[in-house]
Amino acid sequence: AQKVTQAQTEISVVEKEDVTLDCVYETRDTTYYLFWYKQPPSGELVFLIRRNSFDEQNEISGRYSWNFQKSTSSFNFTITASQVVDSAVYFCALSEGDSGYALNFGKGTSLLVTP
Amino acid sequence: GAVVSQHPSWVICKSGTSVKIECRSLDFQATTMFWYRQFPKQSLMLMATSNEGSKATYEQGVEKDKFLINHASLTLSTLTVTSAHPEDSSFYICIGSSTEAFFGQGTRLTVV
Repeated sequence: AQKVTQAQTEISVVEKEDVTLDCVYETRDTTYYLFWYKQPPSGELVFLIRRNSFDEQNEISGRYSWNFQKSTSSFNFTITASQVVDSAVYFCALSEGDSGYALNFGKGTSLLVTP
Repeated sequence: GAVVSQHPSWVICKSGTSVKIECRSLDFQATTMFWYRQFPKQSLMLMATSNEGSKATYEQGVEKDKFLINHASLTLSTLTVTSAHPEDSSFYICIGSSTEAFFGQGTRLTVV
């Protein structure tokens, strides 16, 4: 069963638009971690955020913000005023004790920001 | 800060040969190393989990005799792709774990 669902395969926006990338997860653990990573065309994974299951506070970092809602098992990621450099594939991942804390990745959302 | 150094970053090898990928944890001890591979335009899939000093645990469908993992110390884990074939061409990434997860830079393997 898919533990992490990123329903949006590809998103295309025009620069300066806001965009939200959805992530829905599934777990029976009470202690787990959620992550977002960015993978630019170069291939290297760039860590964006790590959130544990006990911290539902939303987070803002510059143009990035994250909305964690346990009630809907979602951990959505919003980019405000998108820029061309934001073009990349974004992965949401879940780490839980049942899997030895290995990261279980979603299929990724490819974001294209055009000028 | 904590880093996982992965080498080589890319490698091209002939079909039938073996390739070794190294991951070294810098400034921390990786009690666990996760090995992933990523085929083009796909997600990262866990291949195996290795704990220092013990045998690796492989995911279903991953041949343990083909993908040899050694995690002899807390700072070094290696993945050897034996008798590589073109279908093994992929992006391989290690993730070192202690209290957090630290990514290697990835190795792009092309088997010709």
